[in-house]
Amino acid sequence: DAKTTQPPSMDCAEGRAANLPCNHSTISGNEYVYWYRQIHSQGPQYIIHGLKNNETNEMASLIITEDRKSSTLILPHATLRDTAVYYCIVTYAGNNRKLIWGLGTSLAVNP
Amino acid sequence: NAGVTQTPKFRILKIGQSMTLQCAQDMNHNYMYWYRQDPGMGLKLIYYSVGAGITDKGEVPNGYNVSRSTTEDFPLRLELAAPSQTSVYFCASSQTLAGAKNIQYFGAGTRLSVL
Repeated sequence: DAKTTQPPSMDCAEGRAANLPCNHSTISGNEYVYWYRQIHSQGPQYIIHGLKNNETNEMASLIITEDRKSSTLILPHATLRDTAVYYCIVTYAGNNRKLIWGLGTSLAVNP
Repeated sequence: NAGVTQTPKFRILKIGQSMTLQCAQDMNHNYMYWYRQDPGMGLKLIYYSVGAGITDKGEVPNGYNVSRSTTEDFPLRLELAAPSQTSVYFCASSQTLAGAKNIQYFGAGTRLSVL
């Protein structure tokens, strides 16, 4: 499984877009990028995932570079409730029980 | 609309005691997982199950046992509690293992202290 690198912490003003980067330079062609978040030690919550195309859902957008070596999670209008630790995870496309969790990025949304 | 339910929420054990952490899901998912999360760290997989009667080890299985007699339930057993098992334990389930749709749903966690 490819490893990921994320900044340990970021700040964002309430109402502005939060752009969280993730480096996964060793990703292979059949590995997906998943994003989860964990609010104040609650159970992690799935946000979005993608293979090579950009993805958008009601929570966020995922932008994957053309070479797939990095991605950015975008929260378009961050609120105080988006303060959380965000995990970027790469997982094999086939049957794979493992999600390798790193330390994530601690996002603080400030009023 | 319960999803994944874990009990208890908190527990304090003495060294050498045993206990079972309960996990139940009502989404009819075949795949279930147990993770532990130490302070300031990411999650580490302890055990997982691909269906009733089938379990396998994850990254950190030592000191734990699991069983899966029904689709809904996946209890985690600690036989001889040690201080190193002080952690937050999360149970999760997913519909599939395939990477394209391996969306895992998590419970609220059990906070365990071994003193």
